[in-house]
Amino acid sequence: QVQLVESGGGVVQPGRSLRLSCAASGFTFSSYGMHWVRQAPDRGLEWVAVMSHNGIYEYYRDSVKGRFTISRDNSKNTLYLQMSSLRPEDTAVYYCAKDPSSSGYDVFDHWGQGTLVTVSS
Amino acid sequence: EIVLTQSPATLSLSPGERATLSCRASQDISNFLAWYQQKPGQAPRLLIYGASSRATGIPARFSGSGSGTDFTLTISSLEPEDFAVYYCQQRGNWPRTFGRGTKVEIK
Repeated sequence: QVQLVESGGGVVQPGRSLRLSCAASGFTFSSYGMHWVRQAPDRGLEWVAVMSHNGIYEYYRDSVKGRFTISRDNSKNTLYLQMSSLRPEDTAVYYCAKDPSSSGYDVFDHWGQGTLVTVSS
Repeated sequence: EIVLTQSPATLSLSPGERATLSCRASQDISNFLAWYQQKPGQAPRLLIYGASSRATGIPARFSGSGSGTDFTLTISSLEPEDFAVYYCQQRGNWPRTFGRGTKVEIK
């Protein structure tokens, strides 16, 4: 069965960096688009970024553009989110989510359990 | 950015009752709408995609309808495990956006 396991969360000071990982199993990772979605108590669910199956296409929400970078290693079945210049408003549980399409233009059909990122001094 | 407005914020019902949840989009999104269920401490789970298609393994008591700007999620007869928060989400435009959720609680 599809399994997505996030890691890399923690407490980080504003302005610092953090890299999240999402280890995938139970499906052909290289065939599907993948997303990062976050959830903060006061802002609900927010889509963050998407990458197509082959890594050619990527899109970001405006508030993270230029600060966050999504990437994937299909040989390791792993999705990444490199976060830099972190702000307190980036504090959230970060989920990786699988897309049923290769492009990443569809919905989120499977989700990981999430990893908590807290940005605080 | 497309804004999704869900109503009501909270729905208080008893097991066996029918639940009707609404989601309104700020612009036409055709049928590019999905619904998710989230229980405390868990990740969201896909229920409905394409406004009306049930995801794999989702019971038939869950149904979705609508197109354009107005959408509805109906739970025909609430089971104890259905008490949760429900979110709608659009894929008609970037960025993908979610509604703020409707909490279905036990009356």
